[in-house]
Amino acid sequence: EDKVVQSPLSLVVHEGDTVTLNCSYEVTNFRSLLWYKQEKKAPTFLFMLTSSGIEKKSGRLSSILDKKELFSILNITATQTGDSAVYLCAVEPNSGGSNYKLTFGKGTLLTVNP
Amino acid sequence: NAGVTQTPKFQVLKTGQSMTLQCAQDMNHEYMSWYRQDPGMGLRLIHYSVGAGITDQGEVPNGYNVSRSTTEDFPLRLLSAAPSQTSVYFCASSYSMGRNTQYFGPGTRLTVL
Repeated sequence: EDKVVQSPLSLVVHEGDTVTLNCSYEVTNFRSLLWYKQEKKAPTFLFMLTSSGIEKKSGRLSSILDKKELFSILNITATQTGDSAVYLCAVEPNSGGSNYKLTFGKGTLLTVNP
Repeated sequence: NAGVTQTPKFQVLKTGQSMTLQCAQDMNHEYMSWYRQDPGMGLRLIHYSVGAGITDQGEVPNGYNVSRSTTEDFPLRLLSAAPSQTSVYFCASSYSMGRNTQYFGPGTRLTVL
């Protein structure tokens, strides 16, 4: 059974701080790892990672994958109150067929205080 | 494009009632999925479909039925609602090939009394 564990479960920081969110996983035949941001509604896509060591960046957010150690981190620098959200990590297996499904972690609740 | 749409946004049911949550997408996506989200539990896959006429069970399928008669629509049926099915339900869709980014609908908040 595929498994995703995120840590910490919650985190409170001040504006301007840098945060690192962790995601470890177990999956049969890994295909990709995805990060989503969820505010008070539907999750929105941030990054998809398929190869180790290649950092994905989007503004102040960046993410990297370590396929050997089976984990990923999401970094947010110079945090802003608008970064407050639940950050979800998910893994996609490569079943080799037409199956497609994601297994999500429980998420990290990030609160950025002014 | 409207993206992924879900109706209703809110619903209250009594135990034993049945209902259908609607999901539609206008992006010609082959893959569609239903998730439920409970506090502290993340998103859990209920059922998914890889194309019209093809569905399969996810992690928590009991008490739910799905069908996929068209590419656009993927309704989720609660056969006999139970309080344990109180949750927020998200529908998602994606292309079958290439970048498998799932696009999520706005969600349906369901309360079963």
